[in-house]
Amino acid sequence: QKEVEQDPGPLSVPEGAIVSLNCTYSNSAFQYFMWYRQYSRKGPELLMYTYSSGNKEDGRFTAQVDKSSKYISLFIRDSQPSDSATYLCAMRKTSYDKVIFGPGTSLSVIP
Amino acid sequence: NAGVTQTPKFQVLKTGQSMTLQCAQDMNHNSMYWYRQDPGMGLRLIYYSASEGTTDKGEVPNGYNVSRLNKREFSLRLESAAPSQTSVYFCASSEGPWSGGVQETQYFGPGTRLLVL
Repeated sequence: QKEVEQDPGPLSVPEGAIVSLNCTYSNSAFQYFMWYRQYSRKGPELLMYTYSSGNKEDGRFTAQVDKSSKYISLFIRDSQPSDSATYLCAMRKTSYDKVIFGPGTSLSVIP
Repeated sequence: NAGVTQTPKFQVLKTGQSMTLQCAQDMNHNSMYWYRQDPGMGLRLIYYSASEGTTDKGEVPNGYNVSRLNKREFSLRLESAAPSQTSVYFCASSEGPWSGGVQETQYFGPGTRLLVL
């Protein structure tokens, strides 16, 4: 079993839809949770960073962490074609530990 | 600021050939990393350098060597390339956990696409 799992997609939605991207993980020691966005043929860039359980909102993006279920989500409201990318979840146990990445979910937002 | 730069952008090698991937950052970061990205596998850490003068193995170090040339530069060497090393290689940098920042964001370069025949 992989330490971090994501549905690879591809996920295709119409412009304006609400998108839900999810990751599950097996190690209960993870405390720091991240979402990276990766455009085609580019390097990943950090989108959201959360610590422990709860929600964090930034504009159209909301990150949610449920440590009891070992499940994290990224919601995108009013999705735009510019949101078309691969979304990687990532997590670490402490700020001194290596980051473990999920395989990524490919998202296409159709105009 | 250029951020993290990588050279070359694309390379084709024959089995057994050697090459060095170059990475440089201009953000005065302490820590640097090399990852490989394969379909369905996500990003896997090859080697990292927590600070200038130190290097450590990551998840998949076999077949690779690294050099932290100075604070700015971190190179990855394939001594004898194998088809299994066909991948996209990303270099990243961060302030480092000892900087006191909680977030510890990693900044990635644009990647090097390597094909080993």
